[in-house]
Amino acid sequence: KAGVTQTPRYLIKTRGQQVTLSCSPISGHRSVSWYQQTPGQGLQFLFEYFSETQRNKGNFPGRFSGRQFSNSRSEMNVSTLELGDSALYLCASSLGQGNEQFFGPGTRLTVL
Amino acid sequence: GEDVEQSLFLSVREGDSSVINCTYTDSSSTYLYWYKQEPGAGLQLLTYIFSNMDMKQDQRLTVLLNKKDKHLSLRIADTQTGDSAIYFCAESRRTDSWGKLQFGAGTQVVVTP
Repeated sequence: KAGVTQTPRYLIKTRGQQVTLSCSPISGHRSVSWYQQTPGQGLQFLFEYFSETQRNKGNFPGRFSGRQFSNSRSEMNVSTLELGDSALYLCASSLGQGNEQFFGPGTRLTVL
Repeated sequence: GEDVEQSLFLSVREGDSSVINCTYTDSSSTYLYWYKQEPGAGLQLLTYIFSNMDMKQDQRLTVLLNKKDKHLSLRIADTQTGDSAIYFCAESRRTDSWGKLQFGAGTQVVVTP
């Protein structure tokens, strides 16, 4: 069974640009969560989707948004990039309530 | 400050046991997890425990949960050089927030020969 896949793996953008990251969950998983990992703030929850609905949202500005498609694949978008958005963005999938989350390898975003 | 706390660094000799500790504050936590992260990689789920359990063992890994003190520990028996990594403790809270994990800062484990 294939694991969680994230594309692209690496991305370099400049300030003010926008970016879209993609996550394909494990087959059969309907829950997808996104996290940002930085050396200073550690792992922080961005948002979580289940069956195309956003269930939870972390404390991030409105520049961070996401969505989930009917096949459970998810995308997150960051608009008007800032230097501080440089981070490893991790996606995790799960069967749902009461089930563990499995993480993808992450997308390393560098904002110049 | 963080609600999940871990010590930042642990050095252990190969073949010894490692014990990584974590404290959490939310009494409504339902699941507690241990993840491992190697350099340049994502998070690998090692094990998890329900908050109504006291202990869980899985091969070289033993998780102990002290609900009264809100203390979680991960013991790795016969530690190997491949166990060198950052270990994260995480909790999920309440039935309506099960998809949101709250992580500790991570414990860097260095295994020396």
